[in-house]
Amino acid sequence: AQSVAQPEDQVNVAEGNPLTVKCTYSVSGNPYLFWYVQYPNRGLQFLLKYITGDNLVKGSYGFEAEFNKSQTSFHLKKPSALVSDSALYFCAVRESGGGADGLTFGKGTHLIIQP
Amino acid sequence: EAQVTQNPRYLITVTGKKLTVTCSQNMNHEYMSWYRQDPGLGLRQIYYSMNVEVTDKGDVPEGYKVSRKEKRNFPLILESPSPNQTSLYFCASRSGGYSNQPQHFGDGTRLSIL
Repeated sequence: AQSVAQPEDQVNVAEGNPLTVKCTYSVSGNPYLFWYVQYPNRGLQFLLKYITGDNLVKGSYGFEAEFNKSQTSFHLKKPSALVSDSALYFCAVRESGGGADGLTFGKGTHLIIQP
Repeated sequence: EAQVTQNPRYLITVTGKKLTVTCSQNMNHEYMSWYRQDPGLGLRQIYYSMNVEVTDKGDVPEGYKVSRKEKRNFPLILESPSPNQTSLYFCASRSGGYSNQPQHFGDGTRLSIL
């Protein structure tokens, strides 16, 4: 079975400061990892993914994430937060070669950027 | 513009009255899926479809039906809705056969079952 944990329900960061949203995962084999963002009254938007290769993945809106196999983590980061980054963020995992779908989402983390 | 379109966006209805939420995508994606989002639970998959006439249960299929008669459409059917199906529903699609591809989501349908 696969699972995702986002240990923080909410993260508060001052505008201009670096931000981190944490994600840990559990799969039997190798993972495909994704981050999505959800703005109010909208669907989830894809930010970035890790499939293989370089552990540091760069995505949309200046976000990046670091894959750490030994710690089974895939934390989302941004060097300088913007107020417009305030949203709900979801981490998701799928085991590579893991059948027809098997995408599991975390419970989400509310990111609040304070001016 | 590439998009997944859901209708209606909002619906308030009563227990037992059959309803259908439509989903359509214009990206020629083979794979489509339905999720429900509930506070503190994240997204949970209801049903998915790998292609036309191929559907399968997700994690929470009870009380729901789906069909995939055309590639672009994947309606979600609640034959006898109950209050515990009050939720925010999302349809998603992606290229089939490549499980490392991200899913594209619709803007959601908020259902309230009284």
